[in-house]
Amino acid sequence: GQQLNQSPQSMFIQEGEDVSMNCTSSSIFNTWLWYKQDPGEGPVLLIALYKAGELTSNGRLTAQFGITRKDSFLNISASIPSDVGIYFCAGQPDSGNTPLVFGKGTRLSVIA
Amino acid sequence: DAGITQSPRHKVTETGTPVTLRCHQTENHRYMYWYRQDPGHGLRLIHYSYGVKDTDKGEVSDGYSVSRSKTEDFLLTLESATSSQTSVYFCAISGDRAGGYTFGSGTRLTVV
Repeated sequence: GQQLNQSPQSMFIQEGEDVSMNCTSSSIFNTWLWYKQDPGEGPVLLIALYKAGELTSNGRLTAQFGITRKDSFLNISASIPSDVGIYFCAGQPDSGNTPLVFGKGTRLSVIA
Repeated sequence: DAGITQSPRHKVTETGTPVTLRCHQTENHRYMYWYRQDPGHGLRLIHYSYGVKDTDKGEVSDGYSVSRSKTEDFLLTLESATSSQTSVYFCAISGDRAGGYTFGSGTRLTVV
């Protein structure tokens, strides 16, 4: 089946640093989404991207839909302690009722 | 918060017993999904539904069955629980195939 390769698996950063993570695939996706999961909770949608090349911001978060439709990245600027969590990318395949495909997540730790 | 609730939130059960997890939504969304989350594996799709009585298998469906007799409820059943099914189970809903998912808070299941 289709797979998303998400990297890095984990990151330890200092408060105030910028963060970058990405997802790649050998398959084309129509939609890319980024989720954040806080401990003990379900993932929450951060940003949705619907067009190749699209660059979208949500506060300190910026995400881009790759021009080839096979990748996406998420940047977090000026990290703060509440950014801690697991970040998941997800891609919507091209056709039918096929559900989202999720990456395995990037675990972010912020050191104050 | 979106109207999605999972029950129970925590359950401990014995190997070989049947277990049913419930996902209830008040959003009248067409699509519902069951995922399991395990360390190192991210979110893996178990089963999903694209309408009442319309369901399909995900990548890790063995040992699980689902039912959706009305729009608001999606039940996940472990016919005979095994220790390998110890996991955190998440339900998600979506109003359309290309939209983002809204996740429940999860059910932590332990099979002893």
